[in-house]
Amino acid sequence: GQNIDQPTEMTATEGAIVQINCTYQTSGFNGLFWYQQHAGEAPTFLSYNVLDGLEEKGRFSSFLSRSKGYSYLLLKELQMKDSASYLCVSMDSNYQLIWGAGTKLIIKP
Amino acid sequence: IAGITQAPTSQILAAGRRMTLRCTQDMRHNAMYWYRQDLGLGLRLIHYSNTAGTTGKGEVPDGYSVSRANTDDFPLTLASAVPSQTSVYFCASSASAAGELFFGEGSRLTVL
Repeated sequence: GQNIDQPTEMTATEGAIVQINCTYQTSGFNGLFWYQQHAGEAPTFLSYNVLDGLEEKGRFSSFLSRSKGYSYLLLKELQMKDSASYLCVSMDSNYQLIWGAGTKLIIKP
Repeated sequence: IAGITQAPTSQILAAGRRMTLRCTQDMRHNAMYWYRQDLGLGLRLIHYSNTAGTTGKGEVPDGYSVSRANTDDFPLTLASAVPSQTSVYFCASSASAAGELFFGEGSRLTVL
């Protein structure tokens, strides 16, 4: 079957770095997305990886290893506004999206 | 401001009633989607449309129907609401099948 695994909840300190891991199993692969969702709001796009390696975008970076079925989202210089859920989403060979349940990130001062 | 508009933002509904959630986008995106989000679960696809005039079933289509008469509008109808349809519903669009999704603000539906 197709599924996504990511931690349910993580806690980190303001100013620190946190890495949110995601493993996926899909029928074929057409890329891996990360979305951010603040409580009570809609998800918003953060990143897309289809090739192995690290993609950096400001304070956020996303990594992909296709051979391991593994991705992570790295958040640097954490701010209180980064408190949100982070959704890992893989795309299979039919362009269908498989959504993880999300990792709730709690930032403490 | 370009984007996706959903209505209503919140609704309480008696079981057995018919309900239509509206979704309009002005980005001229071909693909549109309806998802439901429930606590502890990933977003689940209800129905989708790759282009105006076509629709398809997602992971959890039972009890729901959609139409896509034009590019901009993609309403979701619950013919006879049941309590298990209590959820937050998100409409989304993308320029292509592999593109990032743009979401509406969501419609919180409670069926009693």
